Amino acid sequence: SQELEQSPQSLIVQEGKNLTINCTSSKTLYGLYWYKQKYGEGLIFLMMLQKGGEEKSHEKITAKLDEKKQQSSLHITASQPSHAGIYLCGADPVGPGGQNFVFGPGTRLSVLP
Amino acid sequence: DTGVSQDPRHKITKRGQNVTFRCDPISEHNRLYWYRQTLGQGPEFLTYFQNEAQLEKSRLLSDRFSAERPKGSFSTLEIQRTEQGDSAMYLCASSFGQHSYNEQFFGPGTRLTVL
Repeated sequence: SQELEQSPQSLIVQEGKNLTINCTSSKTLYGLYWYKQKYGEGLIFLMMLQKGGEEKSHEKITAKLDEKKQQSSLHITASQPSHAGIYLCGADPVGPGGQNFVFGPGTRLSVLP
Repeated sequence: DTGVSQDPRHKITKRGQNVTFRCDPISEHNRLYWYRQTLGQGPEFLTYFQNEAQLEKSRLLSDRFSAERPKGSFSTLEIQRTEQGDSAMYLCASSFGQHSYNEQFFGPGTRLTVL
């Protein structure tokens, strides 16, 4: 079965600093999703990547899927306290017929003012 | 508001009791997913529906768990004879489309505590 690992597990940065979160898959990714979760709440969709080498940006958050489609990175520029939360990567099931969406364990981000 | 809603938001129950959670998806969405999330972990897939058909169930879903989506709209997740290990956040999500690669919209979750 497909597994997703995320690094780092947690991150504390000073406001204004840049940071990167990584997501690595045990198998080729057919679709990679980034979500943000506030503590104790539901998930908020950030962006989705499908093509190798694809890069998408939304405000100060940029995500990229590597050419081999087994790793994705999420980069936040000039972090703000509002960026604090848990960042989760999720992946479409591998191969036809599989429907179990898989999530990574999450990266907990704290931004100090 | 047309987002995904879940009810109740919090549930405290005693071990051995049955509980039922409800999820109302976004109205035009044909797919509905249930996940379970424990502290410090990502959500774990439990089951999903396409319209009223339950198409996939995780091995995590023991016989004590049952989910329904009778008219292809709202869904219920029932846990019978609850155990302390069932304590978790139960998340519902919905999406529109025929393939798995669709953005899933999540509800706020139901936090279950089993005493």
